Amino acid sequence: DVKVTQSSRYLVKRTGEKVFLECVQDMDHENMFWYRQDPGLGLRLIYFSYDVKMKEKGDIPEGYSVSREKKERFSLILESASTNQTSMYLCASTSLKGARPGNTIYFGEGSWLTVV
Amino acid sequence: RKEVEQDPGPFNVPEGATVAFNCTYSNSASQSFFWYRQDCRKEPKLLMSVYSSGNEDGRFTAQLNRASQYISLLIRDSKLSDSATYLCVVLDGYNKLIFGAGTRLAVHP
Repeated sequence: DVKVTQSSRYLVKRTGEKVFLECVQDMDHENMFWYRQDPGLGLRLIYFSYDVKMKEKGDIPEGYSVSREKKERFSLILESASTNQTSMYLCASTSLKGARPGNTIYFGEGSWLTVV
Repeated sequence: RKEVEQDPGPFNVPEGATVAFNCTYSNSASQSFFWYRQDCRKEPKLLMSVYSSGNEDGRFTAQLNRASQYISLLIRDSKLSDSATYLCVVLDGYNKLIFGAGTRLAVHP
């Protein structure tokens, strides 16, 4: 039962291309997140959104933008891909608001992007 | 200072050993806490939520100390299948999920 779906698992793009990474969740969650994960650096937050049309910068937003036009979909956009954006990108969603034991964060399976 | 810091690892332990991981967080307004497990080239999977009273799930015990802003994970009777990276995750007061860099565990026969 897949709950968070990332549209592309493996992509190879050229430097300067515009890249779209799509994430869809079917749990009616308010909060959605995009991370990238690199060896030795762990998961770093790029952007997150707590509602439709709302977005907040994470720790490393440079070179990225996002779109949340519908509650279930959160898109990550690389306007002009560069080789240092080669990474694994993870989308996550959660309904957490306040301390609610038992709630969980759901992750997509990851998108492996290589920029050449 | 990083918002969430974990033991750097790697931890190399024999089967049957008890191992403990620590995690500290800097934002006292943080609201919810989790331990996730991540296998190589896979997405993170929830291991445990961490409650103020502490909680146990089989061989795994999680503790939270809000005063010291400290979270721990104890694994008893380690199995080969426990080899993975363990991520400490904190939800801060702004609905932002923050991950520690992860602690790698390798259990050997």
